[in-house]
Amino acid sequence: EDKVVQSPLSLVVHEGDTVTLNCSYEVTNFRSLLWYKQEKKAPTFLFMLTSSGIEKKSGRLSSILDKKELFSILNITATQTGDSAVYLCAVLSGGSNYKLTFGKGTLLTVNP
Amino acid sequence: NAGVMQNPRHLVRRRGQEARLRCSPMKGHSHVYWYRQLPEEGLKFMVYLQKENIIDESGMPKERFSAEFPKEGPSILRIQQVVRGDSAAYFCASSPFSGGTDTQYFGPGTRLTVL
Repeated sequence: EDKVVQSPLSLVVHEGDTVTLNCSYEVTNFRSLLWYKQEKKAPTFLFMLTSSGIEKKSGRLSSILDKKELFSILNITATQTGDSAVYLCAVLSGGSNYKLTFGKGTLLTVNP
Repeated sequence: NAGVMQNPRHLVRRRGQEARLRCSPMKGHSHVYWYRQLPEEGLKFMVYLQKENIIDESGMPKERFSAEFPKEGPSILRIQQVVRGDSAAYFCASSPFSGGTDTQYFGPGTRLTVL
């Protein structure tokens, strides 16, 4: 069975800190890895990573994929209270080109 | 362009009742996916539908659960004779194409509580 494991499960930081969220996976026929931000509503798409070693960046957020070691990291620099959310990692894999397998998420709390 | 709409946002049912959850995909999207998030768990795939077709229901419980996506109107996830274990957040996502490099856009979810 495909597996996606995120760590840490929760994290508390102060505004201005930099955080790194981890996602490791064991799946059959990896296709791509996606990061979502989930506040008290819809998970919103952040990044999709398909190739190893290519960093994707959006403002203070960046992410990179290592297909050899089967993991991805999501970095957030200069954190703000608005970054507080659950960050979800999901993998698209196998014979299906639509069935996402999600990790349990990392709950990030940014205190002022 | 409105996002994926789900209603109701919160639904309370007593054991044995039926729950109907609705999902309207983004405009121009004809692919709908339902996921369930149990407490302390990640989202898990339930079913993938296109208009008038169930493509993959491998994640659906074998009994009491059904889904449809009619030619007109929203997609419906129906749970008959609900039990306490059905309490969860149910998310719908839509995409313009089937998987590949396209992302799925999620709705805000329906939080079902079974008393």
